[in-house]
Amino acid sequence: DAKTTQPPSMDCAEGRAANLPCNHSTISGNEYVYWYRQIHSQGPQYIIHGLKNNETNEMASLIITEDRKSSTLILPHATLRDTAVYYCIVRGAGGTSYGKLTFGQGTILTVHP
Amino acid sequence: DAGITQSPRHKVTETGTPVTLRCHQTENHRYMYWYRQDPGHGLRLIHYSYGVKDTDKGEVSDGYSVSRSKTEDFLLTLESATSSQTSVYFCAIMDQTMNTEAFFGQGTRLTVV
Repeated sequence: DAKTTQPPSMDCAEGRAANLPCNHSTISGNEYVYWYRQIHSQGPQYIIHGLKNNETNEMASLIITEDRKSSTLILPHATLRDTAVYYCIVRGAGGTSYGKLTFGQGTILTVHP
Repeated sequence: DAGITQSPRHKVTETGTPVTLRCHQTENHRYMYWYRQDPGHGLRLIHYSYGVKDTDKGEVSDGYSVSRSKTEDFLLTLESATSSQTSVYFCAIMDQTMNTEAFFGQGTRLTVV
């Protein structure tokens, strides 16, 4: 299963863009990249996912490199409520790993006033 | 919100006793997951299911068993609870198509004394 590597923590000023990187160098061609966040001890909240192309929704943008070995989650205008732990996940796609979601350690994003 | 319910939400039990946590969904999703979360460890996959009676181990499956006799219920059993199993447990569900998201329950806080 592909593993992900994220920086343990990042800071961002309120109103500025937050760019959270993720490395997934062993990703295979049919595995999706997912991003979730967790605020306090709540259940993780879905943000965005993608396969090859860049994706955008109302919460964020996902930029995936052409070789798919890394990606960046972009929160365009961070607010204090975006302070959370952000997880980058590669979804398994082969055999019994199909659909398997394995979390890494995540990045603690702190948004400052 | 996706129809996913965990029960109980909180439980205190004694070392050596059996404990069963229940995850119930109303979405008819194929995949169901059990995770545990401990301070400093993010979410770690215990077991997951890719269909009725089809389950597989995650990275921290020792001391846990699961059962899925019908689509809507995924049970996690601690045969003989230990203090190291004190944790917050999250259930998740996901549809079988690749281009979809997983939904998480609100968690069960289990304390083994």
